[in-house]
Amino acid sequence: EDQVTQSPEALRLQEGESSSLNCSYTVSGLRGLFWYRQDPGKGPEFLFTLYSAGEEKEKERLKATLTKKESFLHITAPKPEDSATYLCALREGSQGNLIFGKGTKLSVKP
Amino acid sequence: DAGVIQSPRHEVTEMGQEVTLRCKPISGHDYLFWYRQTMMRGLELLIYFNNNVPIDDSGMPEDRFSAKMPNASFSTLKIQPSEPRDSAVYFCASMAGSQEKLFFGSGTQLSVL
Repeated sequence: EDQVTQSPEALRLQEGESSSLNCSYTVSGLRGLFWYRQDPGKGPEFLFTLYSAGEEKEKERLKATLTKKESFLHITAPKPEDSATYLCALREGSQGNLIFGKGTKLSVKP
Repeated sequence: DAGVIQSPRHEVTEMGQEVTLRCKPISGHDYLFWYRQTMMRGLELLIYFNNNVPIDDSGMPEDRFSAKMPNASFSTLKIQPSEPRDSAVYFCASMAGSQEKLFFGSGTQLSVL
């Protein structure tokens, strides 16, 4: 049973075409919801941490939001350099590790 | 800081051989994690350490896998004997407990033939 589910698996956008990525989760004691970006051949790179429902974080063209059951990563007017795999992860209870979703592969065409 | 350093970047070996992956965490970080990434299963936690002590090794597939952290600046993940199904990208990550975000290395691409 997956605790973190990301959708869609892949997303193709034209440059400037805004969209959202979804991350739904089923843990009870959420202690943090994390977004990472992963480029081919590299390790995941930290983007945001969200801790409570209603919280929002922004960085350039990206905005992450959190509800009690899901998180969204909104991409506004994307550029080709935003192409990457975006991973959602959560920390539950007293655990130190992160549980990752399988990611959404984003391709932005010029 | 140079970030989390992993070696080797690529490893190609034959089934049955011993494989050792190495990791140097960011100085001052008190947590170290080993993850494995495949297309089918995504990123899976294998084991993590806090202050050099293994905390959770429930993700280690079987006895063929072992991990050590002899000091705060070095960890190894060993597979003996290796099998083709072990082929994956293995990531090491470190974290300062006060910051709560993981920093990943560039990974080791392991191919077992």
